[in-house]
Amino acid sequence: AQSVTQLGSHVSVSEGALVLLRCNYSSSVPPYLFWYVQYPNQGLQLLLKYTSAATLVKGINGFEAEFKKSETSFHLTKPSAHMSDAAEYFCAVSDQSNTGKLIFGQGTTLQVKP
Amino acid sequence: DAGVTQSPTHLIKTRGQQVTLRCSPKSGHDTVSWYQQALGQGPQFIFQYYEEEERQRGNFPDRFSGHQFPNYSSELNVNALLLGDSALYLCASSLKGVSLGEQFFGPGTRLTVL
Repeated sequence: AQSVTQLGSHVSVSEGALVLLRCNYSSSVPPYLFWYVQYPNQGLQLLLKYTSAATLVKGINGFEAEFKKSETSFHLTKPSAHMSDAAEYFCAVSDQSNTGKLIFGQGTTLQVKP
Repeated sequence: DAGVTQSPTHLIKTRGQQVTLRCSPKSGHDTVSWYQQALGQGPQFIFQYYEEEERQRGNFPDRFSGHQFPNYSSELNVNALLLGDSALYLCASSLKGVSLGEQFFGPGTRLTVL
């Protein structure tokens, strides 16, 4: 069985500060890992994905994440937060059988203060 | 290139009623998955349709049913609505064998059960 744990339901940073959103996964098979962003009253937009190529994955809007198998982690970072980054962020895992079923974490709300 | 579209945007029903939600996948995609996102939670997988058949199912009662049409569009039906069915229902599409687990999400249908 697969699962995702996002540490911290709310994260608050100042504009220009480092953003770090934590995600740990559990999977008995090699996983695919994803970060999605959800703005208020909208669907989910893919930020980036890990599919067993490079362990450091770069995504849209300046975000990146590093897959660390030894730590079963896939934390999301951005060097400098922008006000427009305020949103809900979800980490998700899928198995490499490509069934397409995504298991999501509970989400982390990112607040960016001016 | 149209993305994933869903209708209606919002829906209000009363307990015991039945509801049908609709989804058109992204152009070129053949697989549709449905997720339920309760307020403050991550999306939960309901089921997935491919080649007009339900291929996978999450932990949802059989009040939740679906259908996929030859043009790959899909419907989600919920019978005997409960208050707890109030949620954002997300449709996601992908291309079997190619998407490497990545799914493209629609904007969702907000269902309120009174």
